[in-house]
Amino acid sequence: DAEITQSPRHKITETGRQVTLACHQTWNHNNMFWYRQDLGHGLRLIHYSYGVQDTNKGEVSDGYSVSRSNTEDLPLTLESAASSQTSVYFCASSATSGLGVDTQYFGPGTRLTVL
Amino acid sequence: RKEVEQDPGPFNVPEGATVAFNCTYSNSASQSFFWYRQDCRKEPKLLMSVYSSGNEDGRFTAQLNRASQYISLLIRDSKLSDSATYLCVIYSSASKIIFGSGTRLSIRP
Repeated sequence: DAEITQSPRHKITETGRQVTLACHQTWNHNNMFWYRQDLGHGLRLIHYSYGVQDTNKGEVSDGYSVSRSNTEDLPLTLESAASSQTSVYFCASSATSGLGVDTQYFGPGTRLTVL
Repeated sequence: RKEVEQDPGPFNVPEGATVAFNCTYSNSASQSFFWYRQDCRKEPKLLMSVYSSGNEDGRFTAQLNRASQYISLLIRDSKLSDSATYLCVIYSSASKIIFGSGTRLSIRP
């Protein structure tokens, strides 16, 4: 069965360290997204990609970067982790070619703590 | 004012009750609307899309009111398994996907 996975599921790191969160999908979807979820804010879009070599900034992209070298993976990198980046991170993918109306399938999430 | 607002709840209702909640949005150019369900500490999952003509799926009915800029979700004959957080999602443009912060629903026996 197709799925979307994230790793690690839990991560504790220190301020200033570079951290990379992995996202892998086997749906063969063009579109992939990274969100963070914090109490009182819902999910906020960090970065998204419409296909290989395509990346775009979302609402809260500062301090984060992504790269899309193949269809299956969209790793999220925190360049220099800050305590404000402590959050739950969700990766998602969808099938349509644009930011359209198709369902987004979410990964199980990564709980990141920055000390 | 937030672009998308939901009553955070919690809504605490007895099994079998009907419950409804709304999600208001500020951008009149918003194009697509959805309800997602999120169980505690799990990922969101699509519940249903919201169309101008309304959308019904079993006990769930979603409606869009463009004039007043809100979407609604109605749950009839609620079950214990309906306990979750319900997120509205608004697509405003190619780069604008806004999730509401969610409404918590708790169904009691």
